[in-house]
Amino acid sequence: DAGVIQSPRHEVTEMGQEVTLRCKPISGHDYLFWYRQTMMRGLELLIYFNNNVPIDDSGMPEDRFSAKMPNASFSTLKIQPSEPRDSAVYFCASSFIYKGNTGELFFGEGSRLTVL
Amino acid sequence: TQLLEQSPQFLSIQEGENLTVYCNSSSVFSSLQWYRQEPGEGPVLLVTVVTGGEVKKLKRLTFQFGDARKDSSLHITAAQPGDTGLYLCAGDSKADRGSTLGRLYFGRGTQLTVWP
Repeated sequence: DAGVIQSPRHEVTEMGQEVTLRCKPISGHDYLFWYRQTMMRGLELLIYFNNNVPIDDSGMPEDRFSAKMPNASFSTLKIQPSEPRDSAVYFCASSFIYKGNTGELFFGEGSRLTVL
Repeated sequence: TQLLEQSPQFLSIQEGENLTVYCNSSSVFSSLQWYRQEPGEGPVLLVTVVTGGEVKKLKRLTFQFGDARKDSSLHITAAQPGDTGLYLCAGDSKADRGSTLGRLYFGRGTQLTVWP
């Protein structure tokens, strides 16, 4: 398997523009996570899905952020409008339940977002 | 508020030295995972510990889960430059009915630099 695939790897945009980040999880994994990583705040969970259904979106900073998972092989994280404080590395990860515990999280390589 | 506190936040040592990093919480976890993240990449799982008091070894790395399953430590013997990276611990907790929530709570990480 190719692992978790994220695109784009790098995105530079201007404040106010819409940003869409994409993720293809590992086939067979039924959990998908979106994280944001910054030096100041570390790795923050934004939202996660189980079987394509959002389970917890309490980490989504505000209404400018939205995430969808229309099917088991694709998810998007959208920021509209983007602001400079959204600059961060955004990771997608997928996982499964193993012996009743959360299994290994497989992370993508991340999407580095810079909002000018 | 971080559910998992990691210390130290930064560690810079010479090749050949030993070191220990800590992961502490006031909460009980059903399992705990350690990840290592290298620049420009997503975190990669090193080990999962499940049983209180469990010790696991991965070459020069020794992981221990506290008896009460609230804390963990990672000890590296004779550190090498290849050990450089961000070490993250992540705890798995269960809902009241005993099933996993399917998500991990990450600490802020320990940034380790090993100089040749």
